[in-house]
Amino acid sequence: EVQLVESGGGLVQPGGSLRLSCAASGFTFSSYWMSWVRQAPGKGLEWVANIKQDGSEKYYVDSVKGRFTISRDNAKNSLYLQMNSLRAEDTAVYYCARDLSGYGYWGQGTLVTVSS
Amino acid sequence: DIQMTQSPSSLSASVGDRVTITCQASQDISNYLNWYQQKPGKAPKLLIYDASNLETGVPSRFSGSGSGTDFTFTISSLQPEDIATYYCQQYDNLPTFGGGTKVEIK
Repeated sequence: EVQLVESGGGLVQPGGSLRLSCAASGFTFSSYWMSWVRQAPGKGLEWVANIKQDGSEKYYVDSVKGRFTISRDNAKNSLYLQMNSLRAEDTAVYYCARDLSGYGYWGQGTLVTVSS
Repeated sequence: DIQMTQSPSSLSASVGDRVTITCQASQDISNYLNWYQQKPGKAPKLLIYDASNLETGVPSRFSGSGSGTDFTFTISSLQPEDIATYYCQQYDNLPTFGGGTKVEIK
C-alpha cells in the first residue's frame, strides 16, 4: 500500500525556518517525481515545488523561489522541504504527492502556521 | 505561467442531476489536464487524468473531456457523497490548479 506521511509542521515566527519531511512507503520511491502542494486555510490548492527522481531537476513556484528548497534522499525514501524566511502568506497545509500524470497519491498534510 | 480559469466557483444541484464544471487554460496544454475531488479536512483525490481517463476505482458517473484550452468535467448523476470541492490542474508546464468548484446539494 502506498503511503506518504508528512511531518515537521508547526508554529513559526515570520522570518523563521522550518523543515518538512515526507516518508514514503509501498512503492519504489526513486522511480517517481515528487511534489509539494499547499493549501492556505479556506483557499485552493497551490503547487509549490517538485523534484526529479534523482534530484537533478527541481522547480518552484515563483513565490517561494530563493526561500524554499526541495530535496530527497532515495536511500531513506524521504522527501524534504526546507523553508526559510517564512512569511504569513506561507501559512498552509503542506502536502507531499507522488507525481505521475497526476497526483494519484497524497499524504495527510502537515500544517505550517507563520505568526508572531 | 499557465493560468487555469475554472467555473463556476460554486453550484447547487439536486441528487440525480447532471453537473458540469469547465476549466479553461490560458494557452494550449494538449490533454495535460487532471481533475481532483477534495472533501473537507482531507487530501485531494485524483479522479480524471490526461483530460479523459478515469482513475482506477473511481465511479463511472465521473467523466472528463476536452483538449487544447477548453475542458469539461461531468458528474452524470449527482450523489450525496459527491459533495466536495473539485479542482482542475494542468501539467503541460509547471503545475497550476484552477480555483475550485464547490458542489452542494440543493
